[in-house]
Amino acid sequence: GAVVSQHPSRVICKSGTSVKIECRSLDFQATTMFWYRQFPKQSLMLMATSNEGSKATYEQGVEKDKFLINHASLTLSTLTVTSAHPEDSSFYICSARSLDRVDTQYFGPGTRLTVL
Amino acid sequence: AQSVTQLDSQVPVFEEAPVELRCNYSSSVSVYLFWYVQYPNQGLQLLLKYLSGSTLVKGINGFEAEFNKSQTSFHLRKPSVHISDTAEYFCAVSRSNTGKLIFGQGTTLQVKP
Repeated sequence: GAVVSQHPSRVICKSGTSVKIECRSLDFQATTMFWYRQFPKQSLMLMATSNEGSKATYEQGVEKDKFLINHASLTLSTLTVTSAHPEDSSFYICSARSLDRVDTQYFGPGTRLTVL
Repeated sequence: AQSVTQLDSQVPVFEEAPVELRCNYSSSVSVYLFWYVQYPNQGLQLLLKYLSGSTLVKGINGFEAEFNKSQTSFHLRKPSVHISDTAEYFCAVSRSNTGKLIFGQGTTLQVKP
C-alpha cells in the first residue's frame, strides 16, 4: 500500500524560531500534497494544497507568509512554520495523492509541534 | 460548498455489540464520500470510500457504510466491535474534480469490555 512519512514526528521549539516539517511519499509519486492542521479533540482543517512544481494554494484564513509550503519534487513537500508562536502549537498532518488515483489521499502519521 | 455533520461526538458501546456512526453531508454537486479512523497521536487510515456504483461499501476491519442519496447520509456500521476499534472516526467528502477533503467533526468510539 501507499506509504507517506513525516519528519519529525514531534518538535518543540522556542517562540520566534522557524520549524520545517517534511512530508514524503515513499512508494509512489505524489503530484498533489495537502497540509492539514488538527487541534486537540477537533477535526482536521485543510491549510493548503500543493502541486509539484507550482505554488501552493492556501485556504481562506491561512497566512501564506507564515506557513511556507514547498513541493519541489514528486516525493517531497515541506511545510515551514515561520516565527512560530504558542498559538501555532498543533498537530500537522500531510496527505499525498498520485496522478493515477485522484480519488484517494494517503495520510502521513502527523507531526506534533509545541511552541514554548 | 460542501459540509459534513457527524451527529454523535461520542459513542460508547460494549465489546461485540453492533455500532453505527452517523454522517450526513450537504452538497449541490456529486461528491465522493470517505470514512477514516485515527488512533491517538497518529495520522488517518482509510476505512472505506464511496465513489460510485453500489451504495453498500465494504471496508477494512469489518466496517461497511451505505450511501443514501435521498437522505444525504453515509453511515458507518460494524456488526460486532472489538476493544481495538476504540478510536476517532472521521467522515469526509470531496468533490471529484478537486480532491479537497472536508471533514466532519469526528466521533469518538469507545468500546468497553
